[in-house]
Amino acid sequence: ETGVTQTPRHLVMGMTNKKSLKCEQHLGHNAMYWYKQSAKKPLELMFVYSLEERVENNSVPSRFSPECPNSSHLFLHLHTLQPEDSALYLCASSQEGQGVGNNSPLHFGNGTRLTVT
Amino acid sequence: TQLLEQSPQFLSIQEGENLTVYCNSSSVFSSLQWYRQEPGEGPVLLVTVVTGGEVKKLKRLTFQFGDARKDSSLHITAAQPGDTGLYLCAGGSSNTGKLIFGQGTTLQVKP
Repeated sequence: ETGVTQTPRHLVMGMTNKKSLKCEQHLGHNAMYWYKQSAKKPLELMFVYSLEERVENNSVPSRFSPECPNSSHLFLHLHTLQPEDSALYLCASSQEGQGVGNNSPLHFGNGTRLTVT
Repeated sequence: TQLLEQSPQFLSIQEGENLTVYCNSSSVFSSLQWYRQEPGEGPVLLVTVVTGGEVKKLKRLTFQFGDARKDSSLHITAAQPGDTGLYLCAGGSSNTGKLIFGQGTTLQVKP
């Protein structure tokens, strides 16, 4: 199995739908992340969970709701999204405390391509 | 706010050519990571540089961290079609523990 697995790979949803993105890491890491990747823009950090506690929430709209039931699983619940939310959503994991300069390398999944119609 | 500017944003070259991608900031970073992202996949870490002036080589790829730890470069020698992808730099802040990403350089190597 790959280190970080994301499902689904592609998702098309209407603005009134509710859907969830799933991420699972098999690396034994203690931190997990959600990033948003839009064309020609830097990766935007959305949420960080360390030891299953949310430690970062970068002013993300409430229509995005993360959930981390354990150190291996991370969800992103979506509801009443807007067309501008269409993007690639990347999950990543890392082992905090082992990276140089306190910036541990990230291991990314292959992302969920989300289209909001 | 810490920012990382990558240049060029897009590069299309022929196989066998050399190229350099730049990652610049006015801020000092404790470390600098380079990732490559191929179509349909997530970014994959290539290298981490930590010391000012540090040079690391990965086959035909040479990475350098600026002396003041504010900038970095990636040089590819004799590019191959397999080098095609999005190259991302990410600066690490020792103060916040956060990684700041550049907007990426899309490289296309034509056979």
